[in-house]
Amino acid sequence: GAVVSQHPSWVICKSGTSVKIECRSLDFQATTMFWYRQFPKQSLMLMATSNEGSKATYEQGVEKDKFLINHASLTLSTLTVTSAHPEDSSFYICSGDRVDEQFFGPGTRLTVL
Amino acid sequence: GENVEQHPSTLSVQEGDSAVIKCTYSDSASNYFPWYKQELGKGPQLIIDIRSNVGEKKDQRIAVTLNKTAKHFSLHITETQPEDSAVYFCAASTGTDSWGKLQFGAGTQVVVTP
Repeated sequence: GAVVSQHPSWVICKSGTSVKIECRSLDFQATTMFWYRQFPKQSLMLMATSNEGSKATYEQGVEKDKFLINHASLTLSTLTVTSAHPEDSSFYICSGDRVDEQFFGPGTRLTVL
Repeated sequence: GENVEQHPSTLSVQEGDSAVIKCTYSDSASNYFPWYKQELGKGPQLIIDIRSNVGEKKDQRIAVTLNKTAKHFSLHITETQPEDSAVYFCAASTGTDSWGKLQFGAGTQVVVTP
């Protein structure tokens, strides 16, 4: 159990466009979901904490107007990167919280040209 | 806030030998310590975790020990196999008080050579 999926697994977009990434908990309900960003050979950096039905809480330095997070249901959270630029290219990973344990999705590789 | 340090950054072991990765944390309120394995291009996979009310936990070839007094915890992998090669991350959390937010270590690249 405790499977999290992400879609798409990879995406290439042009600078200035917006990209939406979906995160789904497939076999459990996640009241809380987390979004991370990971650059090559680095650790996971928490971007925001998303609670179902309420506004996301962003970590210091993360622009909330650029990284829009919606947690509409107990099994779905979305991250939209608005007006993407090459520096936003990264590996984006979500996780779902189940009884204080976090289970991670497979990640989405975003490349902005 | 919580700060987690992880050592070593890289670890090369011969197949069959043991591997040990150590982490220290700063927040004495932390009470949940998971370990994740991440293979290239994939998301982290929870391999074992420990809570502050126990000192050791074992699952087949993997074990984790926790010393709350010293604020450090370690991952032990015995009888290593080539498929154990990956990046391993430790993390710490204060649990539901902070929505279960995890603070990650920098990661350890483990290479198991046949």
